Amino acid sequence: GENVEQHPSTLSVQEGDSAVIKCTYSDSASNYFPWYKQELGKGPQLIIDIRSNVGEKKDQRIAVTLNKTAKHFSLHITETQPEDSAVYFCAASITGSARQLTFGSGTQLTVLP
Amino acid sequence: EPEVTQTPSHQVTQMGQEVILRCVPISNHLYFYWYRQILGQKVEFLVSFYNNEISEKSEIFDDQFSVERPDGSNFTLKIRSTKLEDSAMYFCASRRGTSGDNEQFFGPGTRLTVL
Repeated sequence: GENVEQHPSTLSVQEGDSAVIKCTYSDSASNYFPWYKQELGKGPQLIIDIRSNVGEKKDQRIAVTLNKTAKHFSLHITETQPEDSAVYFCAASITGSARQLTFGSGTQLTVLP
Repeated sequence: EPEVTQTPSHQVTQMGQEVILRCVPISNHLYFYWYRQILGQKVEFLVSFYNNEISEKSEIFDDQFSVERPDGSNFTLKIRSTKLEDSAMYFCASRRGTSGDNEQFFGPGTRLTVL
């Protein structure tokens, strides 16, 4: 089955700097790659997603890039703010009607004021 | 904004007891999921449910687990005889399921502690 690896496990940046989180996946059939943000005591919230027919997608300070050949995708957060501090999960979805998600292990992002 | 809700937020049980975790998905959604996250580990897929039946399940979802949509609004996960290793955060999610729609909306989770 699908396996998603995520790095780094923890990341500290100064407010205003950029943060990059990287993921790799194993199953070339995966075609949907969401990123979730999880704040303490809450469930994962989708922040951005990308489909395999697109190489890059941007939404304000957040962008995701996908390299299908290398099977990796990355989350980029620019101009980080303290409220960006949370755990971020990447995921991949295998084609099929159920579209269950396979998650990475998470990155604890801390934005230092 | 519609959201997925889960009850209880925290459940403590003795090993061997049955537990039922409850979820109310978003009302016009058609696909429902359970995931779990053991402390410090990945979020893992358990089961998906569509049209009143299981559509996919993982190796974790053995005979001790069952799911049900008893009344058209609730979606439940039952663990018949809990084990210590069932201690985890359990997340319910739902997806609208229309063409091209992939987003899964997650609930806040139920923390299950098996003693």
